[in-house]
Amino acid sequence: RKEVEQDPGPFNVPEGATVAFNCTYSNSASQSFFWYRQDCRKEPKLLMSVYSSGNEDGRFTAQLNRASQYISLLIRDSKLSDSATYLCVVNFRTGRRALTFGSGTRLQVQP
Amino acid sequence: EAGVVQSPRYKIIEKKQPVAFWCNPISGHNTLYWYLQNLGQGPELLIRYENEEAVDDSQLPKDRFSAERLKGVDSTLKIQPAELGDSAVYLCASSASGQETQYFGPGTRLLVL
Repeated sequence: RKEVEQDPGPFNVPEGATVAFNCTYSNSASQSFFWYRQDCRKEPKLLMSVYSSGNEDGRFTAQLNRASQYISLLIRDSKLSDSATYLCVVNFRTGRRALTFGSGTRLQVQP
Repeated sequence: EAGVVQSPRYKIIEKKQPVAFWCNPISGHNTLYWYLQNLGQGPELLIRYENEEAVDDSQLPKDRFSAERLKGVDSTLKIQPAELGDSAVYLCASSASGQETQYFGPGTRLLVL
């Protein structure tokens, strides 16, 4: 079983739609959580951190459920420019300050 | 502020040949990472440096891969000899001391024929 699992998609949604991505992680002692965005043939870039109480950044809302070891990302009012792969990322509490990435969920927003 | 710089951007070699990738992190970032990304997968850590010290190289295939960061700034990742399965994107990232946010370079896309 992978340490961080995501539905690979693709999610094909029309402009203006609301879409949600889910992610599960295997290590209950995980320390911190992030969503990264990766455009086609580009490098990953931090989209947002995920806090225990949930957090919002404009049209993006991230939620964390430590009991279920589950992270989500909600995108409201999807734009064409949101088309990308969204990577769920976990920093496990193992002394390694490196990130463990999920395989990513591909989103395609259509006009 | 300049981002993470990597070169070359693309490399095509024949199997059994050596290859090297170079990375210059963001100025002042003490931590440097090398990741490997296969198609349709997320990046996987190969090695992490804190200044010039390799503090996590457990995922680096040491029979053919080596890395160095001699002066604690730029870094080189080498593969010798390359195998067909090494075809992937090699990403370098850096972060400031004590910070979790990592900034990635554009990557080197390697094709081994």
